[in-house]
Amino acid sequence: ILNVEQSPQSLHVQEGDSTNFTCSFPSSNFYALHWYRWETAKSPEALFVMTLNGDEKKKGRISATLNTKEGYSYLYIKGSQPEDSATYLCAFKSGYALNFGKGTSLLVTP
Amino acid sequence: EAGVTQFPSHSVIEKGQTVTLRCDPISGHDNLYWYRRVMGKEIKFLLHFVKESKQDESGMPNNRFLAERTGGTYSTLKVQPAELEDSGVYFCASSVQGTTSTDTQYFGPGTRLTVL
Repeated sequence: ILNVEQSPQSLHVQEGDSTNFTCSFPSSNFYALHWYRWETAKSPEALFVMTLNGDEKKKGRISATLNTKEGYSYLYIKGSQPEDSATYLCAFKSGYALNFGKGTSLLVTP
Repeated sequence: EAGVTQFPSHSVIEKGQTVTLRCDPISGHDNLYWYRRVMGKEIKFLLHFVKESKQDESGMPNNRFLAERTGGTYSTLKVQPAELEDSGVYFCASSVQGTTSTDTQYFGPGTRLTVL
């Protein structure tokens, strides 16, 4: 069983605030770390696939970093907007399967 | 390009009945995956197809679950007979390459199954 932990479980911020979440995963036998954005009743949307220690990836106002030696990844959202409200999932790839954390539920209010 | 589609979006059945879920992957994607999210828990892997062959079904809960992918295109997941604990959201995903580290799995919107 591969434990992937995400924190915080939920977050409520005001529009314009910047925020970040953490994903912790096993540091041994690292292969890849995936981030998804998921709104209920919609398809989880792939944000990033991260493979190298020290990786930094960016998509608009969202960025992510990766530390494979200590087993964590951070997701940052700069200047949060109400449309950023969603659950953000990280998943540790093992073989073919993705092992997901429970997610961080973000609510951005105007 | 059409994404991964799943049918039905919702299904409500009684304990003991049979339900079949369908997934149509992105055209050209040989790899197809099934996952399940039980309420309050994380999304968990069920199984993986490469074309019509099952590569890994280590996540299938028990023999009440049967997945098929005849012809290597769409896939079905049958639950027979359904139990209360089978309730949850069943996701399908597809990808091009499977084993490469950068391979992205594209998810469908899921089928929400409720067993009463």
